[in-house]
Amino acid sequence: RKEVEQDPGPFNVPEGATVAFNCTYSNSASQSFFWYRQDCRKEPKLLMSVYSSGNEDGRFTAQLNRASQYISLLIRDSKLCDSATYLCVVTRQGAQKLVFGQGTRLTINP
Amino acid sequence: SQTIHQWPATLVQPVGSPLSLECTVEGTSNPNLYWYRQAAGRGLQLLFYSVGIGQISSEVPQNLSASRPQDRQFILSSKKLLLSDSGFYLCACAGNTGAYNEQFFGPGTRLTVL
Repeated sequence: RKEVEQDPGPFNVPEGATVAFNCTYSNSASQSFFWYRQDCRKEPKLLMSVYSSGNEDGRFTAQLNRASQYISLLIRDSKLCDSATYLCVVTRQGAQKLVFGQGTRLTINP
Repeated sequence: SQTIHQWPATLVQPVGSPLSLECTVEGTSNPNLYWYRQAAGRGLQLLFYSVGIGQISSEVPQNLSASRPQDRQFILSSKKLLLSDSGFYLCACAGNTGAYNEQFFGPGTRLTVL
């Protein structure tokens, strides 16, 4: 079993729709959680950290469920520029190393 | 905030040739540094990480090596490239204090081994 698992997609949704991604992790000792965004042929960029209480940044909401070892990302009112691959990331070993999921590819259609 | 430089941006090398990829960081001191590889259509694989000068931890056995000769310089090398070494090589940087060590990535080097 992979340490971090994501639905690879692709997700094709119309502009303005709400889309949700899920991610599960296997190591209960994982300490920190992030969502990264990667555009085609570019480096990953940090989208948001995921805090235990859940957090929101504009149209993006991230939630963490430690009991179920589950992380989610919700994008509301999706824009064309949201098209990208979204990477779920968890830390291990004293938060010095990140473990990346395979990514979920999202395409927003006009 | 830190800036991460990587070069070259693109590289085409024959099988069996040597490799040297360089990563330098500005705007931070004593960072943790990382080398990742992303094969076509696949996720990021951590290759090496370093918490200080001369300190290298290897994640997977392979024909690659890493060195950190200076605080903000991280080098990825190979004596003889394999076809399977093709991929997108990313250098990343993170602070080394606190629990939330967010990592930031350089622009990457796209390597094709023929």
